[in-house]
Amino acid sequence: DTEVTQTPKHLVMGMTNKKSLKCEQHMGHRAMYWYKQKAKKPPELMFVYSYEKLSINESVPSRFSPECPNSSLLNLHLHALQPEDSALYLCASRRGTGALLNTEAFFGQGTRLTVV
Amino acid sequence: SQQGEEDPQALSIQEGENATMNCSYKTSINNLQWYRQNSGRGLVHLILIRSNEREKHSGRLRVTLDTSKKSSSLLITASRAADTASYFCATDSEYGNKLVFGAGTILRVKS
Repeated sequence: DTEVTQTPKHLVMGMTNKKSLKCEQHMGHRAMYWYKQKAKKPPELMFVYSYEKLSINESVPSRFSPECPNSSLLNLHLHALQPEDSALYLCASRRGTGALLNTEAFFGQGTRLTVV
Repeated sequence: SQQGEEDPQALSIQEGENATMNCSYKTSINNLQWYRQNSGRGLVHLILIRSNEREKHSGRLRVTLDTSKKSSSLLITASRAADTASYFCATDSEYGNKLVFGAGTILRVKS
């Protein structure tokens, strides 16, 4: 199984709503990522989890709150978002760090988020 | 954060022609990777080249890496309409799992 599964595929939320994006992988990967991608732009790194611990936060606003409950699951909790946060949110996983660093990332199909 | 620039930003070629995309980056790297993205959905890994490698091949793909110039190129030979997609380079920093993407090239292959 080389899949990264993201749910939901599409999400429309109001600026006062709270919602969560979910990402799951069963490849035994120990590094998991959240990216944000606007139209015609490259994916922009948000967070990296390594062995279920947050290792990189790219100065993301606190209205985005990541969570890694276990080695297979990654969540992104959303609260009080702005219309400019509308984007494709991509999750990725990789085998690990250190000696296992030279490995590819596997991406999910993304959640297309619209904030109204 | 974004690592660097890719050029060209857009490339339109006929089926059967070769396509070359370039990527520049700014910091020291552990490896450089190329990904393809169709229609704004998930990215698919194409090829990884380590910082101590200069050239790598995979099927119709050829990647070069020049760490002294902090640049890489991706060559797709004998292109097909199905190669139409956005192509991104991504660099892995020396110090951890920070996989950062370049600006990307939109490739259109006309049949």
